[in-house]
Amino acid sequence: KNEVEQSPQNLTAQEGEFITINCSYSVGISALHWLQQHPGGGIVSLFMLSSGKKKHGRLIATINIQEKHSSLHITASHPRDSAVYICAVLNYGGSQGNLIFGKGTKLSVKP
Amino acid sequence: DADVTQTPRNRITKTGKRIMLECSQTKGHDRMYWYRQDPGLGLRLIYYSFDVKDINKGEISDGYSVSRQAQAKFSLSLESAIPNQTALYFCATSRGFGEKLFFGSGTQLSVL
Repeated sequence: KNEVEQSPQNLTAQEGEFITINCSYSVGISALHWLQQHPGGGIVSLFMLSSGKKKHGRLIATINIQEKHSSLHITASHPRDSAVYICAVLNYGGSQGNLIFGKGTKLSVKP
Repeated sequence: DADVTQTPRNRITKTGKRIMLECSQTKGHDRMYWYRQDPGLGLRLIYYSFDVKDINKGEISDGYSVSRQAQAKFSLSLESAIPNQTALYFCATSRGFGEKLFFGSGTQLSVL
């Protein structure tokens, strides 16, 4: 069983829709990262969080430590949000080298 | 200019060849990482370094070696490339433990 599971694997939405991507993990963690990988391959860090909620523009990330679950929400989605979204967890007590990555959720937003 | 620069962007090589991928950063970060990405799999850690004198193996270090020439430079070598090392390789940096990661643009390596 993978230690970090993302759902859905693939998601197609219409422009303007509210989108939710989920990440569940089975290990104790110190922090959780959300990353965005553009169609050209480049990876950008969106959020790093260890509790609660963070917001940046139209993106909101939440984490529930007790339930071992995080969500990434995109409000008013736009075709430029089309990308692969990756969840990664920092294993509790581990070094940064212990990041465990999910396989990603591929989002396609249609105009 | 990019904060984390990888060279080359693309490379095609033959089985048995030695190849080096280079990474340089202007972030001033001590921590640097090499990952590989394969279709359908998550990013996997090859090697990481917390400073010039600190090199650590990651999850999949067999067949790879690294050199931290300076705080700003971290190179990945494939001593004798094999086809299953065909992948997208990323260098990344971070300021400290649990901190945000900054990625290079990636190197697409094909071993024929």
